[in-house]
Amino acid sequence: DAGVIQSPRHEVTEMGQEVTLRCKPISGHNSLFWYRQTMMRGLELLIYFNNNVPIDDSGMPEDRFSAKMPNASFSTLKIQPSEPRDSAVYFCASSLVWENTEAFFGQGTRLTVV
Amino acid sequence: AQSVSQHNHHVILSEAASLELGCNYSYGGTVNLFWYVQYPGQHLQLLLKYFSGDPLVKGIKGFEAEFIKSKFSFNLRKPSVQWSDTAEYFCAVAGRNTDKLIFGTGTRLQVFP
Repeated sequence: DAGVIQSPRHEVTEMGQEVTLRCKPISGHNSLFWYRQTMMRGLELLIYFNNNVPIDDSGMPEDRFSAKMPNASFSTLKIQPSEPRDSAVYFCASSLVWENTEAFFGQGTRLTVV
Repeated sequence: AQSVSQHNHHVILSEAASLELGCNYSYGGTVNLFWYVQYPGQHLQLLLKYFSGDPLVKGIKGFEAEFIKSKFSFNLRKPSVQWSDTAEYFCAVAGRNTDKLIFGTGTRLQVFP
């Protein structure tokens, strides 16, 4: 398996634009996590899904952020409209819950909003 | 509420020095515990994990961690660090009956030759 795949790796966009980050989890994994990493706040859990259903989105900063998981092999994190303070590295991770396995991380998307 | 606290934000050591990074968690139930490492510019990789059994777990690259249930702690140790251990280290906890994985704020380790 190629691991968790995120795209794009880097994204530079202007304030106010819509940004969509994509994630393909490891095949067979049933949990998917979106994290945001910044120097100031560290690694924050934004939302996680289990069997494609959002379980906890309490970490989503505000209504500008939304996440979907239409099927077991794909998830998106959308920011609309984007703001400079959204600049961060966004990581996606997947795991196989109930099987005592760890979460595997993607390479991350470095987002810069100018 | 579920939380993880890492006491050391930045640690600077010389090669061959011993390392111990603190991690305490808060959770009202049985937990799974993890240490991840993030090398500069890279994604997080698993260093070691504890699910059950022997509270002293050994991971890759000579790292180990001890789960002390009474202290809600899962400290990371390495007897002799190397320059290549320079990285950021994250402690994480997931409730046994949930898959919500929460990370500490991380500890930046710098090892000088």
